[in-house]
Amino acid sequence: EAGVTQSPTHLIKTRGQQATLRCSPISGHTSVYWYQQALGLGLQFLLWYDEGEERNRGNFPPRFSGRQFPNYSSELNVNALELEDSALYLCASSRGLQETQYFGPGTRLLVL
Amino acid sequence: AQSVTQPDIHITVSEGASLELRCNYSYGATPYLFWYVQSPGQGLQLLLKYFSGDTLVQGIKGFEAEFKRSQSSFNLRKPSVHWSDAAEYFCAVASPVDTGKLIFGQGTTLQVKP
Repeated sequence: EAGVTQSPTHLIKTRGQQATLRCSPISGHTSVYWYQQALGLGLQFLLWYDEGEERNRGNFPPRFSGRQFPNYSSELNVNALELEDSALYLCASSRGLQETQYFGPGTRLLVL
Repeated sequence: AQSVTQPDIHITVSEGASLELRCNYSYGATPYLFWYVQSPGQGLQLLLKYFSGDTLVQGIKGFEAEFKRSQSSFNLRKPSVHWSDAAEYFCAVASPVDTGKLIFGQGTTLQVKP
């Protein structure tokens, strides 16, 4: 069974640009989660999508947004990039409510 | 507010020695508890989880963890560490009332001496 996949593996942007990160969940999983792992800040919950709807979001500004497609894959969009957005962005998926989250390898975003 | 504390930022053990990584949580009820491991530049791999039932849970790679309600702890143990266990270990909690959010500790970096 294939795991959670994320693309791209690395992304380099400049301040003010937009970044789009993609995630494909494990087959059969309907929930997708996004986390930010920034140096010195640890792992922070960003967003949760289930059945195409945003169910919960963490304490991040609105320029962090995303969506979930009918095939349950997901995109994370970060607008108006700032230097402190540089981080490893991890996607996880689960079968649904109250189920274990399985993580992908992450996308490393560098903002110059 | 919910929180997870991993008191040890960095631990060094000799190969073959036993290991215990500490995790304490602050939560109004018994949360769901997890240990994940992250190798350099990689995502998180689930080692084990506790939802309910037997308080001693077995995981992959020879790891186990014990849930102690009275101490609000969920410590990770391994009887004999291998060099390949060197990585960063994260304890996490989730609300049984599903918010989709995992709350992570700060992580413990394990170094294994030959």
